[in-house]
Amino acid sequence: QKEVEQNSGPLSVPEGAIASLNCTYSDRGSQSFFWYRQYSGKSPELIMFIYSNGDKEDGRFTAQLNKASQYVSLLIRDSQPSDSATYLCAVGIGNTGKLIFGQGTTLQVKP
Amino acid sequence: KAGVTQTPRYLIKTRGQQVTLSCSPISGHRSVSWYQQTPGQGLQFLFEYFSETQRNKGNFPGRFSGRQFSNSRSEMNVSTLELGDSALYLCASSPGTVSLPSYTFGSGTRLTVV
Repeated sequence: QKEVEQNSGPLSVPEGAIASLNCTYSDRGSQSFFWYRQYSGKSPELIMFIYSNGDKEDGRFTAQLNKASQYVSLLIRDSQPSDSATYLCAVGIGNTGKLIFGQGTTLQVKP
Repeated sequence: KAGVTQTPRYLIKTRGQQVTLSCSPISGHRSVSWYQQTPGQGLQFLFEYFSETQRNKGNFPGRFSGRQFSNSRSEMNVSTLELGDSALYLCASSPGTVSLPSYTFGSGTRLTVV
């Protein structure tokens, strides 16, 4: 079992819709959770992080964390074609400073 | 504020050679992590350095090594290169808080082994 799992996609949504990206992790000691966006040919950039159960909102982005279910999600409201990218879920392993990434989900937003 | 700087951007090496990649973190960041990214495996963790000490290590062979200097700059070395080492090598820096490893990535070094 991989430490961090994501559906590779592609996930295709129409412009203006809500895109929902999901991630599960195996280490129950994980304390911090990150979402990165990677455009083709570019390096990953941090969108947001979350470390408490519940929702965290930042503009059109909402991260959701359920530690009991070991599940993290990212919602993108009012999706735009410019949101088309690979979204990487990353998990801070325990209290080590080590960050492990999932394989990423490719999102396509169609005009 | 300058970002994470990686040099060189591109490298072509021959099997059996060795290579050294360099990373300058964001000013004030004390932690540097290295990742290998390939289409098939995604982002694979190599190692993390904090205050000149290797704090975490991934599951890569001993041919992959690194170090960090007192100014937090880091280098990664790969010896006896194999074709399978062709990848994008990404360096990322963070302030170093273990409970919240929020990393900023550099642009990467694209290594091609022929």
